[in-house]
Amino acid sequence: GDSVTQMEGPVTLSEEACLTINCTYTATGYPSLFWYVQYPGEGLQLLLKATKADDKGSNKGFEATYRKETTSFHLEKGSVQVSDSAVYFCALSERTGNQFYFGTGTSLTVIP
Amino acid sequence: DVKVTQSSRYLVKRTGEKVFLECVQDMDHENMFWYRQDPGLGLRLIYFSYDVKMKEKGDIPEGYSVSREKKERFSLILESASTNQTSMYLCASSSDEEADTQYFGPGTRLTVL
Repeated sequence: GDSVTQMEGPVTLSEEACLTINCTYTATGYPSLFWYVQYPGEGLQLLLKATKADDKGSNKGFEATYRKETTSFHLEKGSVQVSDSAVYFCALSERTGNQFYFGTGTSLTVIP
Repeated sequence: DVKVTQSSRYLVKRTGEKVFLECVQDMDHENMFWYRQDPGLGLRLIYFSYDVKMKEKGDIPEGYSVSREKKERFSLILESASTNQTSMYLCASSSDEEADTQYFGPGTRLTVL
């Protein structure tokens, strides 16, 4: 069945450091891929998405590229800020239905 | 902007009580979902609904039921709350046109004593 595996945290970085959070997936069809972010005390917000191979999703300085050959969708940011401290979830959804599969989440803390 | 609201941010109940968690979306979305979120387990789907009065079991439906009497409202019911149902509960919705994208509410942190 479909599944998502993302790197375990917690991750602690200094402000302006580079961020990579790894995400790989297993899917039977041609899924859409997502990164969601959850700030402390809040629900999940859609950060970015990509719907087909080689698509790049981007938002708020974050990027992720849909790599079919490596079944990956790694989240990257060149220079993190304290306000980026949150939990990040990788997810996939098959086009044919509404079923979503989430990773377990990666907690990021950015220190000044 | 899509808005998904949940009736309570924090809730404390006693074992055996009947608990209602309400979710409302204002974007006329056809599809609505209930998840629970636990540390180290990520999000797990409890129930979802494609239409009014329609429901489908997710991965962990045991101990829960749902109700969708109106398109904009999706309720999660714990018939007899137990301590292992202490969790963060998240509601989400999506449209048929953009079925692969879900929009989430702020969550309800439920504690069962």
